[in-house]
Amino acid sequence: GAVVSQHPSRVICKSGTSVKIECRSLDFQATTMFWYRQFPKKSLMLMATSNEGSKATYEQGVEKDKFLINHASLTLSTLTVTSAHPEDSSFYICSARDPANRAGASYNEQFFGPGTRLTVL
Amino acid sequence: AQSVSQHNHHVILSEAASLELGCNYSYGGTVNLFWYVQYPGQHLQLLLKYFSGDPLVKGIKGFEAEFIKSKFSFNLRKPSVQWSDTAEYFCAAGYQKVTFGTGTKLQVIP
Repeated sequence: GAVVSQHPSRVICKSGTSVKIECRSLDFQATTMFWYRQFPKKSLMLMATSNEGSKATYEQGVEKDKFLINHASLTLSTLTVTSAHPEDSSFYICSARDPANRAGASYNEQFFGPGTRLTVL
Repeated sequence: AQSVSQHNHHVILSEAASLELGCNYSYGGTVNLFWYVQYPGQHLQLLLKYFSGDPLVKGIKGFEAEFIKSKFSFNLRKPSVQWSDTAEYFCAAGYQKVTFGTGTKLQVIP
């Protein structure tokens, strides 16, 4: 099946620093990737849709200058949390769509990465 | 705005009991429906999906879900749960973008 990886799996940083999280599709090319944030005991909140070769589309209420997204290749999207603060501490999850419609999948099926736990001190 | 509601936040069942998790969605236009599962310490995995056709969808590990258009529902069922089904279950709906429900934590007691 389609595999999506994230790096790092866990990061602890000081307040004011920037943190970059990578999302990679390992065995398929993903023109579209998604970034979610998951709060404890809450659902996944879609932050933005990352499109290869173009600007990301951010959901309402998500600061695009705070959460920079770059989708420079068909297998890599990065989320940079700039000037991180303790309230940015969360579990960030990416997903990718496989437009090649491999067997058993379909256009709108998303494959999820394992997530990145960010803790800002 | 699209939304997904999961009615049960925490369900505790004994092994061999039957399971039904409720999911209702609000979405205009073409909608695809999904159930994802997150086992402890693991990432989200697709359990089953509905795009069109037979409203009764069968997924992995004996799970099934029924799409009832008139009720805007997509409930998840399993006739006999196992301890290994202990996990968090997320219903999701959408087309280009997918909205997730708040999740249901299922605890199966041996």
